[in-house]
Amino acid sequence: DARVTQTPRDKVTEMGQEVTMRCQPILGHNTVFWYRQTMMQGLELLAYFRNRAPLDDSGMPKDRFSAEMPDATLATLKIQPSEPRDSAVYFCASGLDNGLYGYTFGSGTRLTVV
Amino acid sequence: GNSVTQMEGPVTLSEEAFLTINCTYTATGYPSLFWYVQYPGEGLQLLLKATKADDKGSNKGFEATYRKETTSFHLEKGSVQVSDSAVYFCALSDYTDKLIFGTGTRLQVFP
Repeated sequence: DARVTQTPRDKVTEMGQEVTMRCQPILGHNTVFWYRQTMMQGLELLAYFRNRAPLDDSGMPKDRFSAEMPDATLATLKIQPSEPRDSAVYFCASGLDNGLYGYTFGSGTRLTVV
Repeated sequence: GNSVTQMEGPVTLSEEAFLTINCTYTATGYPSLFWYVQYPGEGLQLLLKATKADDKGSNKGFEATYRKETTSFHLEKGSVQVSDSAVYFCALSDYTDKLIFGTGTRLQVFP
C-alpha cells in the first residue's frame, strides 16, 4: 500500500533549538497538509499546499514556524526557535485535488521540547 | 466559519453492542463529509466518506448517512468488537478543500 512517510518518528529537543520535520507524500498526490495534534487543542491545521504552492498557512505561528515544499516528493515543517508549548504530534497528510477520495495521513512525528 | 461538532467521549460499550457517534456540521455550500479513525500511536485512517446529500458511506461494518436537512453525519455500527476501540474523528472538506476535524470521540469496547 502507498503511504505517507514522516521522519523522524520521535524527536526530543531542548528549548531554543531548531527542529525540522519531513514528509514524503504519496507519489502523484498534489495536496499536502500539516496538522498538529494535542490533547488540549485536538487537530489543528497548520498549513497546506497544492501543487507545491502554499494555499493557507494561517494556522501557523509565523514568527517561529515555516513550511515548504522544495519538490513534489518532500514537504518540510521547521520550528525555530522551539518552545515547550510546541510539544505535540505533527501529522502530514496527502491527497488528490479536493480530497473527494479522502486524504492519507502519515504516522506522525512526536515532538517533545524540554 | 465551517465547523464540525462531535459528541463527547469516551463512549464505553460491551462487545456486540450497537454504536452511534453523533456528528453535526456547519458549512456553506455542499461539503464532503468523512469519518477517520485513529488507533493508538498511529496516524488517522479514512474510514468512510460521503460527497453529497443522502449518500451513505460504509466500510468495515460502519455506516454514516449525509443528512443535509439536519446537517448531520452520524456514525453507526450494529455490533462493535474490541478491535474497534480507537478515536473517531468526523471531518468535512469545504469549498477550499481544507479538511476540518471535530474534536474526536474515544470509543472503548470491553469483552
